[in-house]
Amino acid sequence: QQQVKQSPQSLIVQKGGISIINCAYENTAFDYFPWYQQFPGKGPALLIAIRPDVSEKKEGRFTISFNKSAKQFSLHIMDSQPGDSATYFCAASMLSRGGGNKLTFGTGTQLKVEL
Amino acid sequence: DAGVTQSPTHLIKTRGQQVTLRCSPKSGHDTVSWYQQALGQGPQFIFQYYEEEERQRGNFPDRFSGHQFPNYSSELNVNALLLGDSALYLCASSPGPGRASGNTIYFGEGSWLTVV
Repeated sequence: QQQVKQSPQSLIVQKGGISIINCAYENTAFDYFPWYQQFPGKGPALLIAIRPDVSEKKEGRFTISFNKSAKQFSLHIMDSQPGDSATYFCAASMLSRGGGNKLTFGTGTQLKVEL
Repeated sequence: DAGVTQSPTHLIKTRGQQVTLRCSPKSGHDTVSWYQQALGQGPQFIFQYYEEEERQRGNFPDRFSGHQFPNYSSELNVNALLLGDSALYLCASSPGPGRASGNTIYFGEGSWLTVV
């Protein structure tokens, strides 16, 4: 069962534009929502993360918007640059009874920023 | 400060063989998780180790097993390899459960496994 749905599958944005990637989750027990950036042949790199008690978090050109009632969150990349071209994954996690946590990933969005 | 390190980076195995992948967590982290990422898909959780014990397990068969050592490093073992096991295997580390930053999970560069 897909617990985190991500859209769009691919996105082309002009340099300087805004890239927007959306995710929706089903399990209300999730309490941590990170975004990862992955370049070809590399592991995912933590970009920015948010907890459900906050509606927005901004770090540089990257902003997460979080809507708890709608169970949706999104990544906004302002002033998109060619170097931002990568695959972006949203994810969600919760602390388990055993005390650990695991990430449930979305299906990924391939972003291409054109000159 | 070294991040999560994995070895080997690439390897090719034959169906039916066994493989061992290795991981050293980021400095200060004592929890290690393993994920499988098939081409074009998001990573899928295999299992997690903390205090040398398997704490959580995803929907993977018993052919997938692991171990954590006293220095927090970890191994992933896969027996009786199938063609479908071909994937990028990612190790992730995080601070131990109970810490405020326990959700912060960092990934290594992965080990590319090809089964032929």
